[in-house]
Amino acid sequence: GENVEQHPSTLSVQEGDSAVIKCTYSDSASNYFPWYKQELGKGPQLIIDIRSNVGEKKDQRIAVTLNKTAKHFSLHITETQPEDSAVYFCAAMEGGFKTIFGAGTRLFVKA
Amino acid sequence: DAGITQSPRHKVTETGTPVTLRCHQTENHRYMYWYRQDPGHGLRLIHYSYGVKDTDKGEVSDGYSVSRSKTEDFLLTLESATSSQTSVYFCAISWDRGEKNEQFFGPGTRLTVL
Repeated sequence: GENVEQHPSTLSVQEGDSAVIKCTYSDSASNYFPWYKQELGKGPQLIIDIRSNVGEKKDQRIAVTLNKTAKHFSLHITETQPEDSAVYFCAAMEGGFKTIFGAGTRLFVKA
Repeated sequence: DAGITQSPRHKVTETGTPVTLRCHQTENHRYMYWYRQDPGHGLRLIHYSYGVKDTDKGEVSDGYSVSRSKTEDFLLTLESATSSQTSVYFCAISWDRGEKNEQFFGPGTRLTVL
């Protein structure tokens, strides 16, 4: 079955710097890759996603890139702000019901 | 939280007791899911439902059962709770499957099994 690895587990950046979180997946049939943000005490919330027929997608300060050949995808946050501090999860799914999540990255943005 | 409530929000129970967690949605979404979240593991799918009375197992279903008698309610039951089931449980819903599968998560239930 699918396996998703996520790195780093913890990331600390200065406000205004960029943050990059990387994920790899194992099942070449996976075709949908969402990213979720989880704030303390809340459920995860979708922030951006990418389909397998697209190499890059951007939404304001957030971008995601996908390399299907290498089976990895990354989340890029530019001009980080303290409110970006949260846990971020990558995930992969192959068209069915089962979404496989990475272990999460705890992002700290220092003011 | 997209019209999703979970009850209870916190529960402490003893090993061997039955526990039922409830997920209620007001969005009329067809698909519902139960996940558990543990440090170092992210979220792992326990069971999911693709319609009333239609359910299937996820990757960590042992020790859990589910029922869905109405579109809006999805129940997760631990028949005999064990300490390894101490976790935070999240319910999620989605309108569709596959790449149209944006999932909306509830606020979670923190379960402690002593």
